[in-house]
Amino acid sequence: EDKVVQSPLSLVVHEGDTVTLNCSYEVTNFRSLLWYKQEKKAPTFLFMLTSSGIEKKSGRLSSILDKKELFSILNITATQTGDSAVYLCAVQLIQGAQKLVFGQGTRLTINP
Amino acid sequence: DAGVTQSPTHLIKTRGQHVTLRCSPISGHKSVSWYQQVLGQGPQFIFQYYEKEERGRGNFPDRFSARQFPNYSSELNVNALLLGDSALYLCASSWETGTGGTEAFFGQGTRLTVV
Repeated sequence: EDKVVQSPLSLVVHEGDTVTLNCSYEVTNFRSLLWYKQEKKAPTFLFMLTSSGIEKKSGRLSSILDKKELFSILNITATQTGDSAVYLCAVQLIQGAQKLVFGQGTRLTINP
Repeated sequence: DAGVTQSPTHLIKTRGQHVTLRCSPISGHKSVSWYQQVLGQGPQFIFQYYEKEERGRGNFPDRFSARQFPNYSSELNVNALLLGDSALYLCASSWETGTGGTEAFFGQGTRLTVV
């Protein structure tokens, strides 16, 4: 069965800290890995990773994929209270359908 | 440009009733997928439609059905509602490129409460 596991499930830090969120996966027919930020309803797209070892960066956020060890990390530096959200990791499969298999999410809380 | 739009935003139904949820994808996107997200969990795949054809179905009962229209908008139908169908229903839009991966963009979702 295809599985995506995120850790930690919950994280509370102070503003200005750096955090690392983890995502490991066991799937067949891997196509890509995507990260989303979910504050209230709509998951907001952050990154899509398809190749190992190539870091994607957007402002204070960055992410990298290791297809040999089957994991990805999402880093957030100099955290701000606006970074508080649930961060979702999803693996996209090729099975005739563009199916996304999601992890449980990491709830990140940034305290001022 | 409008993003993915879903309607309604909130809905309260009684057990046994039927519900129809609607989704309009981003202009130019031909693929629509539906996900169910219960509180505290990640979204679960229900259906994907591409060019009006069902491309895949998740592990959901036959009470769940969907379709895609010529303008690429989509409807998700759920019959004989159960309390356990209460969830946030998300629609994702993508432009299937057939290459190394396709970014999927989500709508705001429909919060369905079954009482």
